[in-house]
Amino acid sequence: DGGITQSPKYLFRKEGQNVTLSCEQNLNHDAMYWYRQDPGQGLRLIYYSQIVNDFQKGDIAEGYSVSREKKESFPLTVTSAQKNPTAFYLCASGTRNSPLHFGNGTRLTVT
Amino acid sequence: GNSVTQMEGPVTLSEEAFLTINCTYTATGYPSLFWYVQYPGEGLQLLLKATKADDKGSNKGFEATYRKETTSFHLEKGSVQVSDSAVYFCALSLNYGGSQGNLIFGKGTKLSVKP
Repeated sequence: DGGITQSPKYLFRKEGQNVTLSCEQNLNHDAMYWYRQDPGQGLRLIYYSQIVNDFQKGDIAEGYSVSREKKESFPLTVTSAQKNPTAFYLCASGTRNSPLHFGNGTRLTVT
Repeated sequence: GNSVTQMEGPVTLSEEAFLTINCTYTATGYPSLFWYVQYPGEGLQLLLKATKADDKGSNKGFEATYRKETTSFHLEKGSVQVSDSAVYFCALSLNYGGSQGNLIFGKGTKLSVKP
């Protein structure tokens, strides 16, 4: 079945550590996205990539980094510079004129 | 700027009740409008969409009409079921005909349906 896989589902880290969230898609979509979801805040765009080896900052990119070395993969690194990293992170992919497909998310807790 | 405002929840209804979740938007240009649904512990799924004024999106008994004169895209369902319990997000995209990933979301409305 085609889809988006985010792993792990739950992730725990100590403050000051970098952590990388995985996102893989087998839908052959060109574009991939990372959103952050906080209670009562809706979803906010962190980074997006329209094509391999290219990506752009979204609305809240500070403290995050991404890479897009393969079409299928768009990992997100939450760095120690991110002031408030505990959140639910959603990855999505899409093409022109098609609805976004979302993964099931990774819940990151930093203590 | 561009934004989406939807009614705050939680909304609690009895099974078979009528549902309305209000959504209004502010946008420069001509946005496409969407409703997404998020079931507990899952990502978002597209529920319905409308790409121009007076379009009606519909799916699974849910409907929403793109009203340019009132800048609204209210979600309605005539008879809700317990399985409709979820969080509903209204969203807009200004990339009409292009990638829909640059979405601007409302804050979400949690719906709980009691048997």
